[in-house]
This record gives sequence, structure tokens and C-alpha cells, in this order.
Amino acid sequence: DADVTQTPRNRITKTGKRIMLECSQTKGHDRMYWYRQDPGLGLRLIYYSFDVKDINKGEISDGYSVSRQAQAKFSLSLESAIPNQTALYFCATSDPRTGAVNEQFFGPGTRLTVL
Amino acid sequence: SQQGEEDPQALSIQEGENATMNCSYKTSINNLQWYRQNSGRGLVHLILIRSNEREKHSGRLRVTLDTSKKSSSLLITASRAADTASYFCATDGTGTASKLTFGTGTRLQVTL
Repeated sequence: DADVTQTPRNRITKTGKRIMLECSQTKGHDRMYWYRQDPGLGLRLIYYSFDVKDINKGEISDGYSVSRQAQAKFSLSLESAIPNQTALYFCATSDPRTGAVNEQFFGPGTRLTVL
Repeated sequence: SQQGEEDPQALSIQEGENATMNCSYKTSINNLQWYRQNSGRGLVHLILIRSNEREKHSGRLRVTLDTSKKSSSLLITASRAADTASYFCATDGTGTASKLTFGTGTRLQVTL
């Protein structure tokens, strides 16, 4: 079974709708991240969390919110989706205590289309 | 904005040839990492090089780091069709609370 899972894998929605993307991990890592990927722009950090209840803004947090209610789960919400939030979204985890300094482990991604 | 810029943006080679990708970054780093992404899938960690290291090997991968030039290169030797993917560098900057900043990636196509 995959260590980092994301649901849904694909989602098509309409402008103005509220959307939640879920991320779960079985790696026991404290640190979790949400990124979005757009063609030609690489990955950009949206939010990150170093522990339960710890939330930090990344490079492009406007229009997004997150929730970290358990170590294994980190949810990303789009309160009112807009077309320029169409992108591929990735969740990742890391744990520097394992010795691999900030190596990150990625989920398979969620492809979100906002019409 | 991206910390890393990769060069070239796209690279097409034949199986058996070597592939070299370069990454430049802007600020001081703790380490630099390379990741691979198969089309539309999650990124997979390939190799990490710390700021006090100059070269590192892992199988067919060779990474160099020049902190004075703020640049790194990834060499894949004896490439295979299965190496076809996008490759990203990511920097763990000093004072950035262990966040990675990713480059824009190099798309590698290895043909038979």
C-alpha cells in the first residue's frame, strides 16, 4: 500500500464551489506539505505543518486553507474555487529525524479542474 | 518565486547516452536534492547532496555541487528509455525552516 495517499485523484468542479482535498500518510512523519504544480512552473508550496495543530503559510496560500487534526492527515480546502486554481496538487511528508535531511515523500497527486 | 532554475528545459537523447541537467539557485542552502517525476505522477527522491559536499554518486547518478557558483548538476550515465521523466532540483535553504524550494524542471526524453 502507498505510504502517502491523496483523495480524490481527479476532480472537476465549478467556479465558486468549496472543494476539499485529503491527504493521509502511514509513514509516521510529523511534517506535511501541500504543493501545486502548474506547467512550466515547477512545484510551489501552499501550506505546511510540522505537527498537529501547527499551520504555516507557504508561497501561495491565498485562496486556500488547511486543517491538520491528526498526525496522519492534512486536508487542503479551496473555499470558493476559481479557474486559475486548476492545477495538479501534491501532498508530501518528511521527517528529519530519520537522518535523510528533509527528504520529502510525495503522494500521487490530485488533478483539479475548475470550470 | 522559484529558488532553482534548471537548464535545459528539455533534453532528448538516445538510449545509452549520458544526460546532464543543471540547476542554479539564489541563496545559501543546507542541502540540494534531485527528484524525478514520471508524467503526471508524484515526485520521487533521487539523491541529496549537503552544502559541504562537492560530489555524490548513487548507481548511475552523479551529482555535483558548487556553492561558490550556486549551481548543481545531475548526470545520468548510460541512459535508458525508463529514465524518461521530468527532473527537479530542490533546495533546502538556510533559515527557511526546512522548506524545499523547487526548480522548474528538465524534461528528459530517452529514445530507443
